[in-house]
Amino acid sequence: NAGVTQTPKFRVLKTGQSMTLLCAQDMNHEYMYWYRQDPGMGLRLIHYSVGEGTTAKGEVPDGYNVSRLKKQNFLLGLESAAPSQTSVYFCASSPGPGRGETQYFGPGTRLLVL
Amino acid sequence: DAKTTQPNSMESNEEEPVHLPCNHSTISGTDYIHWYRQLPSQGPEYVIHGLTSNVNNRMASLAIAEDRKSSTLILHRATLRDAAVYYCILRSYSGGGADGLTFGKGTHLIIQP
Repeated sequence: NAGVTQTPKFRVLKTGQSMTLLCAQDMNHEYMYWYRQDPGMGLRLIHYSVGEGTTAKGEVPDGYNVSRLKKQNFLLGLESAAPSQTSVYFCASSPGPGRGETQYFGPGTRLLVL
Repeated sequence: DAKTTQPNSMESNEEEPVHLPCNHSTISGTDYIHWYRQLPSQGPEYVIHGLTSNVNNRMASLAIAEDRKSSTLILHRATLRDAAVYYCILRSYSGGGADGLTFGKGTHLIIQP
């Protein structure tokens, strides 16, 4: 049982390049989340999903898109990376309604945009 | 979610108890008090949560004031592995609980050997 995994662990992009961050969970959780964490700050919610095929915006959604085609995967896309998107990105999942709300976090993806 | 206030940092000695305070004077009746911690270079991990009564688990205890305007996370015997940033988060379940957690800056706990 790997829990929440994130791919890649670290990436360097040039301004304007695109990339996709992959989050996978093997706990059959309904809810999944993407957060970003800037230095010295707490996490901020980018997008979240309450089930396969559904997504919703969080606090800081601009410049990002997401997709949840399979229940176990939640993808975060950057279409045209900007230096302001340099951050550590964390994915999380939680069981869903009536099954507890504890969020389980992945190890993070460190992204540097030059 | 209502706002919480925590000290920026605290220091304690190894093998001693640690009391991490959190103020949440605008807490509503449906808000649960959650604590997460983030070890260096890792994602946050759940510690404990409660509504009105004090709670204990294998990691920590949560003491909630009678008026619920403050709470204290208690680590009974700190180890070096407990050095982390501790986040106190209010969580309303009235909306089904699907939305994300609202993290502040938390308390940076330093453990001295």
